[in-house]
Amino acid sequence: AQKITQTQPGMFVQEKEAVTLDCTYDTSDQSYGLFWYKQPSSGEMIFLIYQGSYDEQNATEGRYSLNFQKARKSANLVISASQLGDSAMYFCAMREPHTGFQKLVFGTGTRLLVSP
Amino acid sequence: EAQVTQNPRYLITVTGKKLTVTCSQNMNHEYMSWYRQDPGLGLRQIYYSMNVEVTDKGDVPEGYKVSRKEKRNFPLILESPSPNQTSLYFCASSLSGSSHEQYFGPGTRLTVT
Repeated sequence: AQKITQTQPGMFVQEKEAVTLDCTYDTSDQSYGLFWYKQPSSGEMIFLIYQGSYDEQNATEGRYSLNFQKARKSANLVISASQLGDSAMYFCAMREPHTGFQKLVFGTGTRLLVSP
Repeated sequence: EAQVTQNPRYLITVTGKKLTVTCSQNMNHEYMSWYRQDPGLGLRQIYYSMNVEVTDKGDVPEGYKVSRKEKRNFPLILESPSPNQTSLYFCASSLSGSSHEQYFGPGTRLTVT
């Protein structure tokens, strides 16, 4: 079964607009962690934001926020005021405690294109 | 500067010729991991290591070996590479297995012909 599902292969947004990238996850654990990474065309993986399953507030990091809906098992990334430099692949990932916290399971990614 | 380094960054090789991709981190991290990235599949974990001399399989370990003789180094060894191991490989490290952030290396693009 797919642990992390990103249903949007590609997304388009105009500069300065907000965009939401979807991520749903599947786990039977109560304690887990959710991550978003950005991969620009240069190829490196850049950590963006983290949400713990017991965190009551949605995580925020600058223009990035994570819309965490635990009951729906969704962890959508919201980018406010998109910039041209936000064009990249975005990966949602989950860490489950039953793996001893050692492994990140990644989704297949969403390619975001920001147009002027 | 805190970083994870990988070498080589690009490699084209032939089937069956043993190769090693090195990974080194300068942050005194306990936990290190190897992933491969393939189009449409995201990143999948190959092996991980919780500390020196402690390694374990990830989701796709077949055809790979690792070793952790020193805390800072975690080389990935392909004893007999095959074309289906053509991929983009990432090494990652974190302070511990429960740390919130994994630091990724720049990636190694491997082509096996």
